[in-house]
Amino acid sequence: GAVVSQHPSWVICKSGTSVKIECRSLDFQATTMFWYRQFPKQSLMLMATSNEGSKATYEQGVEKDKFLINHASLTLSTLTVTSAHPEDSSFYICSAVTGGAINQPQHFGDGTRLSIL
Amino acid sequence: SQQGEEDPQALSIQEGENATMNCSYKTSINNLQWYRQNSGRGLVHLILIRSNEREKHSGRLRVTLDTSKKSSSLLITASRAADTASYFCATDNLEGQGFSFIFGKGTRLLVKP
Repeated sequence: GAVVSQHPSWVICKSGTSVKIECRSLDFQATTMFWYRQFPKQSLMLMATSNEGSKATYEQGVEKDKFLINHASLTLSTLTVTSAHPEDSSFYICSAVTGGAINQPQHFGDGTRLSIL
Repeated sequence: SQQGEEDPQALSIQEGENATMNCSYKTSINNLQWYRQNSGRGLVHLILIRSNEREKHSGRLRVTLDTSKKSSSLLITASRAADTASYFCATDNLEGQGFSFIFGKGTRLLVKP
């Protein structure tokens, strides 16, 4: 149980393109979803926290207009990288928690490798 | 700054040996969690230990938590080549708005067959 599906797993696109990444909880309702960015051999950097039906909470230094997050249902959150540039190339990972979130494990998707040419 | 700091950053051992990784954090927590990440993949949850617990076991994994020292350790016994991965500790961030987790920098474990 507690499977999170992230799609696509790999994207290569030209500079200026907008890219949408989907994160779905397949067998549970995700009250909260998190979006992370990870550089090679480094830790996860939290970008934003999204709760179903409300606006995402972005971490300091993360551009809201650049990284659009929508959490329209209890099973789906999307991250759109708008007008992507080479510096946006990275590994993006989503996770989801259920219930009260506190004292609950996060369930992670398999990540999306984004390469901007 | 990073809430969780693991050490060592990298660890190389022979199959069958035990592997110990440590994690330190800075603020008060509800719980501390350990995750595993295979290269290029998402993270897999291993163990969650609550702030009022001192030790927890799951199969070959043993986690300890010392809230007075703000530290935790993950012990993998009788390691296998398949245990090769990066291991991260994460703590819940009770400060600021909402609720989130803070991950440490991770320990890269290599288990040689």
